[in-house]
Amino acid sequence: DAGVTQSPTHLIKTRGQQVTLRCSPKSGHDTVSWYQQALGQGPQFIFQYYEEEERQRGNFPDRFSGHQFPNYSSELNVNALLLGDSALYLCASSLLQNTEAFFGQGTRLTVV
Amino acid sequence: EDQVTQSPEALRLQEGESSSLNCSYTVSGLRGLFWYRQDPGKGPEFLFTLYSAGEEKEKERLKATLTKKESFLHITAPKPEDSATYLCAVRVDTGRRALTFGSGTRLQVQP
Repeated sequence: DAGVTQSPTHLIKTRGQQVTLRCSPKSGHDTVSWYQQALGQGPQFIFQYYEEEERQRGNFPDRFSGHQFPNYSSELNVNALLLGDSALYLCASSLLQNTEAFFGQGTRLTVV
Repeated sequence: EDQVTQSPEALRLQEGESSSLNCSYTVSGLRGLFWYRQDPGKGPEFLFTLYSAGEEKEKERLKATLTKKESFLHITAPKPEDSATYLCAVRVDTGRRALTFGSGTRLQVQP
């Protein structure tokens, strides 16, 4: 049983560019959440998708957007990249009625 | 505002030296407290969920407990492979499903 998979694992972008990160949830899970983790900090909630709609959003600007597809996979898009967007981006999947969230290995984004 | 505070920030133990990590929380309507283990550059690995005060969960050398204000992760006779960052997170009773994380405790177990 494949767990949560994310791609790519590493990415280097230039300030002002746009980036798309991808996530496939654990088999049987229907809810995908995205988190940003700065070095030495705990993950910070960006947003959550269920039934192809954004259900909740954390304190992140509109430059951060997402999408969920009918097969439950998800994308995180970040526009107009800033140096401060450099972080580990984590995808977590769960069943909406279940509370355990399982994380992928993350995408390390570096903005130069 | 929901707050989760973990202590200590870092802990260095000798192999076999038992200790405890603390997670204190200030939330309204706890719907679950979660412990994760995170290795450098990797995603968090789920360990335990605790729902109510007095609940305990065990897995190998780890034991998690919960009170109304804090949770402890007890590590008994740790081994070097237990070295990692341990994260605590809470989910609250507002219909939100997001997790609020603490900053973690970096554990190093020396042989």
